[in-house]
Amino acid sequence: GQQLNQSPQSMFIQEGEDVSMNCTSSSIFNTWLWYKQDPGEGPVLLIALYKAGELTSNGRLTAQFGITRKDSFLNISASIPSDVGIYFCAGLGSKSTFGDGTTLTVKP
Amino acid sequence: DGGITQSPKYLFRKEGQNVTLSCEQNLNHDAMYWYRQDPGQGLRLIYYSQIVNDFQKGDIAEGYSVSREKKESFPLTVTSAQKNPTAFYLCASRLGPGRSNEQFFGPGTRLTVL
Repeated sequence: GQQLNQSPQSMFIQEGEDVSMNCTSSSIFNTWLWYKQDPGEGPVLLIALYKAGELTSNGRLTAQFGITRKDSFLNISASIPSDVGIYFCAGLGSKSTFGDGTTLTVKP
Repeated sequence: DGGITQSPKYLFRKEGQNVTLSCEQNLNHDAMYWYRQDPGQGLRLIYYSQIVNDFQKGDIAEGYSVSREKKESFPLTVTSAQKNPTAFYLCASRLGPGRSNEQFFGPGTRLTVL
């Protein structure tokens, strides 16, 4: 079946630093989604990408749909403590496939 | 407000008992999904439904059952056959195949088997 490789698995950064994470797959997807999950809560959709090469921003977040349609990355600029959480990517085709998440810790 | 609701937030069950988790959406979405999340892990698909009165097994369907009698509702039953049911359960919905492909999640139900 389809699989996504999300990296890194975890990140420990200082407040103010930029963050980058990515997802890669051997499969082609029509849509890439990025979510953030706080402890004990459901994932919240951050950014949706629909076209190969598309670059979309949401505040300090920027995500790109890879030109091959097999990868996507998420950048967070100038991190703040409330950015802490687990970030998931999802590739959508006929089914949704999720990465295993990147756990972000931000030290004040 | 449109969204997905799950109830209850926390659920405790004795071994050997069946329990049903509720999921309701008022987004007029055709597709609904159930996922299981274990600590420090990603999401694993239990069951999904693309349309009313139809559903398919996901990757870890054993010990679970679902129904889709109404578009808005997709309850999940955790049966006594599920050997390790303690987990965080997430329901999600999606408009369906096509342009607007965002998938939205409910707040989750944490099930603990005592």
